[in-house]
Amino acid sequence: DAKTTQPTSMDCAEGRAANLPCNHSTISGNEYVYWYRQIHSQGPQYIIHGLKNNETNEMASLIITEDRKSSTLILPHATLRDTAVYYCIVRAPNTGTASKLTFGTGTRLQVML
Amino acid sequence: EAGVTQFPSHSVIEKGQTVTLRCDPISGHDNLYWYRRVMGKEIKFLLHFVKESKQDESGMPNNRFLAERTGGTYSTLKVQPAELEDSGVYFCASSQDRRNTIYFGEGSWLTVV
Repeated sequence: DAKTTQPTSMDCAEGRAANLPCNHSTISGNEYVYWYRQIHSQGPQYIIHGLKNNETNEMASLIITEDRKSSTLILPHATLRDTAVYYCIVRAPNTGTASKLTFGTGTRLQVML
Repeated sequence: EAGVTQFPSHSVIEKGQTVTLRCDPISGHDNLYWYRRVMGKEIKFLLHFVKESKQDESGMPNNRFLAERTGGTYSTLKVQPAELEDSGVYFCASSQDRRNTIYFGEGSWLTVV
């Protein structure tokens, strides 16, 4: 079962930052936080991941709290094309069967004009 | 570099028929995963190959589903005989090793009528 909790849906105005929260209070010390998104009916798209430090790439930033029990995905300037379901996933690094991804229900982000 | 490719993109078959889905992972990726999303449900893990070996097949729903990865390159997922509840989208994904990011294909949509 998914080990994360996310809001069911969120709205964001185009051009503004979208901040998507995720709770993972039972995360273990060696588990990473991954974010994927699914735009309409396409395949899940990798966004970013992190262990304990904040991370940034060309798509987004990931802020992980010091106790690692929650994180926030930030899309700095949301566009209509960012409308999607966003999944926060906790993943063990390489321990055999635990390396797979377990998807929850995610957050449906609607970016509006 | 080519991403994960899946074929066919869409398939409509009658109940009781057989369908074979194919996945070509990213070149050099030893790990290959199958997932599916049936109507109204979350994306669910089916199985995981490391090269040609099945590492984890705990998500396979029943013995009507057979996955193979001969030679450790492309993989096939056969559904025989197909049932109505098998309708959905089947995603293939791959990663270089168990610690690396998992990348998904666009999916194969299966409709059983």
